[in-house]
Amino acid sequence: ETGVTQSPTHLIKTRGQQVTLRCSSQSGHNTVSWYQQALGQGPQFIFQYYREEENGRGNFPPRFSGLQFPNYSSELNVNALELDDSALYLCASSLPTSGTYEQYFGPGTRLTVT
Amino acid sequence: GEDVEQSLFLSVREGDSSVINCTYTDSSSTYLYWYKQEPGAGLQLLTYIFSNMDMKQDQRLTVLLNKKDKHLSLRIADTQTGDSAIYFCAESWSGATNKLIFGTGTLLAVQP
Repeated sequence: ETGVTQSPTHLIKTRGQQVTLRCSSQSGHNTVSWYQQALGQGPQFIFQYYREEENGRGNFPPRFSGLQFPNYSSELNVNALELDDSALYLCASSLPTSGTYEQYFGPGTRLTVT
Repeated sequence: GEDVEQSLFLSVREGDSSVINCTYTDSSSTYLYWYKQEPGAGLQLLTYIFSNMDMKQDQRLTVLLNKKDKHLSLRIADTQTGDSAIYFCAESWSGATNKLIFGTGTLLAVQP
């Protein structure tokens, strides 16, 4: 069984640029959630995708957007990057019908905005 | 509101027991989770407890839940240097979205 994978591992961007982060969910999982983890903090929920539709959103501006594909992989797009967007971006996959709602996390993408 | 609180730091000696504490706010949370994060890595799910349980044991890990006080703890028996990491508790939000609300994390330092 393949776990959650994310790419790229690290990324350096300049303020104002746009970035796309990618996530492949664990085999059989149809739900992907994205979290932002700033240095020294716990992860903060950005949004969740279930069967290619957004299924809830945290307190993040519209320049954070996402997609989920038919194979349940997902992308996180951030436009007009700001310095405060520097963080570890984590994706997690889950299978809501499991009843226990566990989310399994990938290794993350470290984004640095200069 | 959504707020999960943890103490920031815990230092123990190898072989001792560690107890990491957490308080949460959403009394409707169905499940509560403990995750481990090693430096530069993602989050590893350690264990979880259903809200109608008081205790769950899983090898060296014991989770205690006091629902009345909204207090959760993780006990690690026979703590090893490999247990050094940041530990996060998380509650599953009771709304329509299955999102996790995380605490700030507790850094566990195990001294040899």
